Amino acid sequence: RKEVEQDPGPFNVPEGATVAFNCTYSNSASQSFFWYRQDCRKEPKLLMSVYSSGNEDGRFTAQLNRASQYISLLIRDSKLSDSATYLCVVRNSGNTPLVFGKGTRLSVIA
Amino acid sequence: EPEVTQTPSHQVTQMGQEVILRCVPISNHLYFYWYRQILGQKVEFLVSFYNNEISEKSEIFDDQFSVERPDGSNFTLKIRSTKLEDSAMYFCASRTGTSTDTQYFGPGTRLTVL
Repeated sequence: RKEVEQDPGPFNVPEGATVAFNCTYSNSASQSFFWYRQDCRKEPKLLMSVYSSGNEDGRFTAQLNRASQYISLLIRDSKLSDSATYLCVVRNSGNTPLVFGKGTRLSVIA
Repeated sequence: EPEVTQTPSHQVTQMGQEVILRCVPISNHLYFYWYRQILGQKVEFLVSFYNNEISEKSEIFDDQFSVERPDGSNFTLKIRSTKLEDSAMYFCASRTGTSTDTQYFGPGTRLTVL
């Protein structure tokens, strides 16, 4: 079983749409969870950390369900500039390396 | 805003040649990492470095790879004898070292092995 699994997409949505991405992770002892964004041939950039209580940053909302080992990202009012690959990332403990999912590709269309 | 820098941005080499990829982590960061991403695949961990020694490495990081922090600012990844399958984007990352901090990635070096 892969450590971090994501639906690869692509998700093609019109501007203004709401889109949701899901992710599951296999290590129940994982401690930290993140969503990164990666543009084509660029480095991953942190979009937001994910907390057990859920958290929101503008149009972006992240949720974590530890019991189901499931992480989600919701993007409201999609913009053309949101087009990118969204990476679900897990860290198993404080100083261990990040474990990446393969990413979900989003295309926002005018 | 401080950032991780990497040089070169693109390196083309012949199979069997040695390459050195360079990184300058953010200045007050203590943990350094190399990751790679083969085209179309996920980002994979190679090695982490703390207190002037390797703290963890993946099965990808075999004897052909080495890392070094030759001075107070640079962090290098050396591939001794490159193979075609080493062609990938190589990302350097750094973090401060607190339990809740995040890793900041450099722009990457695209390595092409011919």
